[in-house]
Amino acid sequence: DVKVTQSSRYLVKRTGEKVFLECVQDMDHENMFWYRQDPGLGLRLIYFSYDVKMKEKGDIPEGYSVSREKKERFSLILESASTNQTSMYLCASSLYHRAPGYNQPQHFGDGTRLSIL
Amino acid sequence: EDQVTQSPEALRLQEGESSSLNCSYTVSGLRGLFWYRQDPGKGPEFLFTLYSAGEEKEKERLKATLTKKESFLHITAPKPEDSATYLCAVQSRLLQGAQKLVFGQGTRLTINP
Repeated sequence: DVKVTQSSRYLVKRTGEKVFLECVQDMDHENMFWYRQDPGLGLRLIYFSYDVKMKEKGDIPEGYSVSREKKERFSLILESASTNQTSMYLCASSLYHRAPGYNQPQHFGDGTRLSIL
Repeated sequence: EDQVTQSPEALRLQEGESSSLNCSYTVSGLRGLFWYRQDPGKGPEFLFTLYSAGEEKEKERLKATLTKKESFLHITAPKPEDSATYLCAVQSRLLQGAQKLVFGQGTRLTINP
């Protein structure tokens, strides 16, 4: 079965702290994604990675960075946490898109609810 | 700009009362439409992918259909365990072999026993 594990379910941090959110997948997927989910705004893509050490910006990358040193692990970093980064953070992974007309679905972890005080 | 709008925002049904959820989209070149189910405190769980107008997919009490402008998720004789938020997402282009998904805001479905 598909398994995406996020290291923390709940996290409370202070403004200005550097925050690390970790995600691990056990499916040998090439692609990994970080989203945030906010009421009324839905899921928005922050960053994604299509291979080890490769990353691309999503729609809302400001204030975030990512790291992918191993294929199974993708980290989201809040360089200097701010209150507007309080949110639910979701990690997802998928296989590389191999053929036109056949899209691999993204599989999600259960999320980290992050509060910045 | 790609957009996805889901309606209604919330829907409350009695057990056994069939209904449909709507997902309207505008996208430049649809490469796939995805339906997910999300339970409280959980991540989205993949349900279906649809690729072209006229396509249908079924799973238990759920059936997803697709036209050129919208998708419907039909729920037949629902049970309380079908209560969840249902998310629709469209993929318009690829980014280095990964999908670029745009999500709707979801429909929160409650089935009363």
